Amino acid sequence: QKEVEQNSGPLSVPEGAIASLNCTYSDRGSQSFFWYRQYSGKSPELIMFIYSNGDKEDGRFTAQLNKASQYVSLLIRDSQPSDSATYLCAVKGNTGGFKTIFGAGTRLFVKA
Amino acid sequence: NAGVTQTPKFQVLKTGQSMTLQCAQDMNHNSMYWYRQDPGMGLRLIYYSASEGTTDKGEVPNGYNVSRLNKREFSLRLESAAPSQTSVYFCASSEAPGQTYEQYFGPGTRLTVT
Repeated sequence: QKEVEQNSGPLSVPEGAIASLNCTYSDRGSQSFFWYRQYSGKSPELIMFIYSNGDKEDGRFTAQLNKASQYVSLLIRDSQPSDSATYLCAVKGNTGGFKTIFGAGTRLFVKA
Repeated sequence: NAGVTQTPKFQVLKTGQSMTLQCAQDMNHNSMYWYRQDPGMGLRLIYYSASEGTTDKGEVPNGYNVSRLNKREFSLRLESAAPSQTSVYFCASSEAPGQTYEQYFGPGTRLTVT
């Protein structure tokens, strides 16, 4: 079992819709969860982080964490074509030097 | 601030050649990382340096060596390149190795080994 799993996609949504990206992780001791956006040919950039169970909102983005289910998600409201990118879920454990484990990413395509 | 810079941006090597990828950050971060990214594999940690003077192996360290030259610079060396090392290499830094600190990435080096 991969340590951090994401559906590779592509996930295709129409402009203005809500895009829902999901991630599961295997290490129950994980404490920190990050969502990075990566445009084609570019480097990852952080868009959200969450440490506590529940929801965290930042503009059009909402991160949701459920530690009991080992599940973290990212909702993008009012999706725009500029949101088309690969979204990487990253999980940081509490051992081994706090190494960050990345999922393989979900490709999102927002149709105009 | 330039953030995290990497050189070179592109490189083609023949099997058996060696090279060093350079990384520098100007954010006064303590921790630095080297990742490789292959299609469908996500980012995999090669080596990291939690603080100046320390380095540790990550998930895929074989075939690589690193040097934390000072607080700003962290280099990755391929002693004898192999086609399996064809990848995109990203350097990253974070304020500290602790759980709450996110990583900032450089622009990447695209390496092809023929």
